Amino acid sequence: EAGVAQSPRYKIIEKRQSVAFWCNPISGHATLYWYQQILGQGPKLLIQFQNNGVVDDSQLPKDRFSAERLKGVDSTLKIQPAKLEDSAVYLCASSLVFRNSPLHFGNGTRLTVT
Amino acid sequence: GESVGLHLPTLSVQEGDNSIINCAYSNSASDYFIWYKQESGKGPQFIIDIRSNMDKRQGQRVTVLLNKTVKHLSLQIAATQPGDSAVYFCAENVGRNQAGTALIFGKGTTLSVSS
Repeated sequence: EAGVAQSPRYKIIEKRQSVAFWCNPISGHATLYWYQQILGQGPKLLIQFQNNGVVDDSQLPKDRFSAERLKGVDSTLKIQPAKLEDSAVYLCASSLVFRNSPLHFGNGTRLTVT
Repeated sequence: GESVGLHLPTLSVQEGDNSIINCAYSNSASDYFIWYKQESGKGPQFIIDIRSNMDKRQGQRVTVLLNKTVKHLSLQIAATQPGDSAVYFCAENVGRNQAGTALIFGKGTTLSVSS
């Protein structure tokens, strides 16, 4: 079974620039999540999708972050404009739609904002 | 607020020893818990999970114990190997949504295994 795919692997941008991350979940996983992991900390949930609808985006800084999952499969996360404090690893995960199904993570995109 | 914490940021053991990694959670409404292993440059990897109606679950070389009375979770690794060296996170589903699993993670424990 192929895992969660993410790209790019690394990204370096200057503050106030924009950036986008892409995620392809495990086939058959209706639920998709974006997490932010700052160095030395545990992942923090940004947004959860079920199919192409948002289930929870309460932790997403909506003034600069946006995410979409138009066809209920792939997803993109965008930051515009980026700030220094956005430097982190952005992890995508997917799970079956059922409550309390384990999340399977991709290897993330490491973002550095200079 | 809702948070999952770990008792020790680092744990060093000898190869072949048993390791115990502890986690304290704060939300008594949490009904599902997972342990993840994260190696450098990789995403968290699922190890084992447990639901709140259980107090123990065993996997291959790993056991998770759940004590709801004191809101404590532990991961036991038998015969620890150098390949077990990684950061270990516990995570909980606080039950805000009925779909999927919105996990809250703690800060992690770094396990170092020396041979």
